[in-house]
Amino acid sequence: GQQVMQIPQYQHVQEGEDFTTYCNSSTTLSNIQWYKQRPGGHPVFLIQLVKSGEVKKQKRLTFQFGEAKKNSSLHITATQTTDVGTYFCAGPRGWDSNYQLIWGAGTKLIIKP
Amino acid sequence: GAGVSQTPSNKVTEKGKYVELRCDPISGHTALYWYRQSLGQGPEFLIYFQGTGAADDSGLPNDRFFAVRPEGSVSTLKIQRTERGDSAVYLCASSPTSGGYNEQFFGPGTRLTVL
Repeated sequence: GQQVMQIPQYQHVQEGEDFTTYCNSSTTLSNIQWYKQRPGGHPVFLIQLVKSGEVKKQKRLTFQFGEAKKNSSLHITATQTTDVGTYFCAGPRGWDSNYQLIWGAGTKLIIKP
Repeated sequence: GAGVSQTPSNKVTEKGKYVELRCDPISGHTALYWYRQSLGQGPEFLIYFQGTGAADDSGLPNDRFFAVRPEGSVSTLKIQRTERGDSAVYLCASSPTSGGYNEQFFGPGTRLTVL
């Protein structure tokens, strides 16, 4: 069945270092969404990418959608303690369904003390 | 404005018991979703409502799970004969509409523990 895979599972960084998580779908996606979940919290929407090759920036966060619309990445520059949490990508099941999202397992960003 | 609310925040029950989990979506949101999230995993889709009707219940794991949304607002997820494997955080989300590209707004979740 359709799968969305994310790597790495965890990433430990020193504050100020960069962080990147990668998302790969087994099928072409009509769009991809990114969410952030703080420890003990619930997922919060960050962004949606729709176009092939799209790049969007939110301050220190850069989101990319691959040319084939099967992969995506999130890069955080100069991490801060407020960035701690788990970052999920999610894509719709099938081409014309936007409500049934298939989620990656997430990448947990951990700031080293 | 008020976000998505879920009650109870925690529920501990014994194997074999019946539980109901409630979700109150953002006012005016027609689409409502239930997910289940196990530790270290992403949310797993359970069911989607558009208005009062369950538009897609293909994610419900078996017939012990059922959800309703009788007036197109509040939804209740019902689990019969609970099993230890049902232990998870149950998340509810809503969006203004389905279709198109709408972000989903999540509630804080109900942590269900089946002993």
